[in-house]
Amino acid sequence: SQQGEEDPQALSIQEGENATMNCSYKTSINNLQWYRQNSGRGLVHLILIRSNEREKHSGRLRVTLDTSKKSSSLLITASRAADTASYFCATDAGQGAQKLVFGQGTRLTINP
Amino acid sequence: GEEVAQTPKHLVRGEGQKAKLYCAPIKGHSYVFWYQQVLKNEFKFLISFQNENVFDETGMPKERFSAKCLPNSPCSLEIQATKLEDSAVYFCASSQAGVGYTFGSGTRLTVV
Repeated sequence: SQQGEEDPQALSIQEGENATMNCSYKTSINNLQWYRQNSGRGLVHLILIRSNEREKHSGRLRVTLDTSKKSSSLLITASRAADTASYFCATDAGQGAQKLVFGQGTRLTINP
Repeated sequence: GEEVAQTPKHLVRGEGQKAKLYCAPIKGHSYVFWYQQVLKNEFKFLISFQNENVFDETGMPKERFSAKCLPNSPCSLEIQATKLEDSAVYFCASSQAGVGYTFGSGTRLTVV
């Protein structure tokens, strides 16, 4: 069954605006990761946040994690047309090389 | 840079035919994962390997799907007697110590 639920399923904003996507999960985790998928392409790893971290930044990306609510958010600031893609959260619940359990993704469209 | 190489990029098979997909993980990565993505949505975990050993095969349909990772060869995912519902994009990923997954660009399988 799908661990992560992403919200919204689709988001359309104007270039320059900020985009926020949310992800909820069900079980305890070791870390949570966000990936981007451009249409018809593979997944690109964006950022990983560990269960003992609350916030992490990477360039225009800001990720928060609330383990008490089992939720995470991805904020993209000053969006660009090139940010148009699907964004997926994925959780890694086990020790060692455990599988990733993905959310269903948010389709982000940046309008010029 | 380093990448996970998946071949072929596209594969078309008639229903009932065999399909074989290949994945060359990043050199030095000891973990390999296969995922199935249907209709650009959810990523379904199929199987993972630690070197040439099966690590987790809980996602594999037992009857028609098989996979191998042999030394000095690309990993492979084989589907015997394909069905229409096998049409999907199959992604391979590799990692070292289970963190920092790198995904390939996928193989799009179309069963007609």
